[in-house]
Order: sequence, then C-alpha cells, then structure tokens
Amino acid sequence: DAGITQSPRHKVTETGTPVTLRCHQTENHRYMYWYRQDPGHGLRLIHYSYGVKDTDKGEVSDGYSVSRSKTEDFLLTLESATSSQTSVYFCAISASSNEKLFFGSGTQLSVL
Amino acid sequence: GQSLEQPSEVTAVEGAIVQINCTYQTSGFYGLSWYQQHDGGAPTFLSYNGLDGLEETGRFSSFLSRSDSYGYLLLQELQMKDSASYFCAVKAAGNKLTFGGGTRVLVKP
Repeated sequence: DAGITQSPRHKVTETGTPVTLRCHQTENHRYMYWYRQDPGHGLRLIHYSYGVKDTDKGEVSDGYSVSRSKTEDFLLTLESATSSQTSVYFCAISASSNEKLFFGSGTQLSVL
Repeated sequence: GQSLEQPSEVTAVEGAIVQINCTYQTSGFYGLSWYQQHDGGAPTFLSYNGLDGLEETGRFSSFLSRSDSYGYLLLQELQMKDSASYFCAVKAAGNKLTFGGGTRVLVKP
C-alpha cells in the first residue's frame, strides 16, 4: 500500500473556526491532491499540487487554501469553516506520468 | 470543464456479469480510469484506458471508445466482495482527474 497518512481521521468543529487537514506521503510522488466526497457528487477536486510550492485550483476551491512546503506534506486549510464544508476529505498522490492515484484513508469533517 | 455520466446503482446476483457505462464530455482528453470504493473505505485504482479497446485484469475489464466519448467497466463472475461503488474518471490537461458520481453495485446471493 502507498504510504499516505491523513490527519486527523475525524474532526468536529464549529462554524467560523479555521481548520487544517494534513496529508503526509512517504512515496516521494510529485503530485498531491485534495478531494471532497459528498453523497451524489462523487469525488470533487479541491486543489492539487505538482511540486513544492506549486499548487493549482480544482473545481470546488472556494473557501479552501493549500500549502506544500515539502514534497511529503500537503496541507488543506479551511480559513473559516462553514456547514457546507461538512464532508469526507481524501488526499491522493500520483507519480508524474502515472494515471494511478493512491488515496489516503480520508478525514471525516463535521462543521456544526 | 469536464462532465461524466454513469448509472447510480446496479443490482445483480453472484456469478453474474455487470457492465457499468460511462459517458464523458471533456477537453484535452488523455484517458479513462476506474476506481472501486467499499463503504467507509478509500477509492482504489482498478484500470486505465488511454487508447481505444479492451483492457483485461482478472475478472474486471475496461473498454474505451474515444470517438464515442464512452467507456465501460465489466465485472464478471460477480462475488459478494464486489459490492462497492465504482467511479469512472477522466484525465484532462493539467493532470487533473475528474470523477463521475459513482455507480453503487449491490451483489445478492
């Protein structure tokens, strides 16, 4: 199994608070992604990174920011959490030209 | 942008064959992937088609027709453990992978 660790696995927070989710990989893969999964919507890309300090927006990036200061870590931040951001968040990694994504175990985030 | 259509749910019995269709609209198409996800788990890669034709991996096969913007995943000799959600995904420019809404497959004894 690919070495991807997401933390925390579960989090409950209140509306308006900042939240940071962490994704750590030990595979030295160049590409890292953050997806959210909601019933009826499949997996939707929030942000992705194609190298250290190189990131780009996905289809649902509003309200989220990311940072990648090291190859192995990709952080997702909700600056001011809203109830609509209650979701399961998955981190994924891939090598540069490999179509295969490896996913982390996910973070269940509840915003009350 | 990209859009993908796949059925929401399919039910079949053990030993049967199930075909999950996926139609897509995208610009800069590079390939079609399939992922499996069991309830409470993470998606796992099943197959990838970059060229037209059939790719076979054990009991699972995947097909792509670029001219028709269409592909399918074929699950043969269904087993109870195949009960899961299956997602098609297209890779477009920028190495972004866009997923369909998923097809829930329920295998009955």
